[in-house]
Amino acid sequence: AQSVTQLDSQVPVFEEAPVELRCNYSSSVSVYLFWYVQYPNQGLQLLLKYLSGSTLVKGINGFEAEFNKSQTSFHLRKPSVHISDTAEYFCAVFESGGGADGLTFGKGTHLIIQP
Amino acid sequence: EAGVTQFPSHSVIEKGQTVTLRCDPISGHDNLYWYRRVMGKEIKFLLHFVKESKQDESGMPNNRFLAERTGGTYSTLKVQPAELEDSGVYFCASSQGGSLNTEAFFGQGTRLTVV
Repeated sequence: AQSVTQLDSQVPVFEEAPVELRCNYSSSVSVYLFWYVQYPNQGLQLLLKYLSGSTLVKGINGFEAEFNKSQTSFHLRKPSVHISDTAEYFCAVFESGGGADGLTFGKGTHLIIQP
Repeated sequence: EAGVTQFPSHSVIEKGQTVTLRCDPISGHDNLYWYRRVMGKEIKFLLHFVKESKQDESGMPNNRFLAERTGGTYSTLKVQPAELEDSGVYFCASSQGGSLNTEAFFGQGTRLTVV
C-alpha cells in the first residue's frame, strides 16, 4: 500500500523568497502524483498533477513540481512567494492497477509567508 | 456555476447521537467521493460513488458509517452512533469522469466535533 510523507508540517518563508515543499511517497507500483492547496475557509484546490510524460510539471499560481522516480519524490517549488500563497498544501498519490479508488494524502504543510 | 457544497459547515454533537452530513456535487458529475481528516492526521479516503452505486467503500472505518446517494445526485453520510474518534473534517469531492485526467473538485468540508 502507498503512503505519502510531507516532512515539514510548517514552512515559514519571507515574501518574494523561493520555497520548496517536500513530498516523498512509497509504493510498489506506478503512481500518479498531485499537489492540492487549501486556502483558509475553502475546499481543496488542485495545483498540479503528474500522470506521465515530462517530469517537470507546471501548475497554477506559478507553482511547479518535479517527479523524481529514483528518489520517490515530488517536491513543490515556487521561485517567489506572495502573501496570498499562505495556505496548507497537500501532496497526494493515486496507485495504479488496483487498490482504493481515492487519493492517499500526506499530512499537509502549512506555508506561512512573512512580510 | 456552483461548486461542491456541503452542509452543515460545522456540527457539534454528543457521543451516541446521530449526525447526517450532506454533499451536493457539481451538477452533472457522476463521481462523488467522501474523505475524512482527523485532527493532525492525513486526509483519508472513505468511499466513491459512480452515480448512485458504491464503486469502492474500502475506506469506511466501520458499520457506524452509512453513505447513500439516492438518485445519483446529492449524497449523505450518516454516523450512528457517533463516537469521540469520529471528530474531524469530512470532505466531499466530485468529478465528471472517473479517470485521473478529470479534476476532482472539493467542497469546504464539514467540521464534526463529537463531545
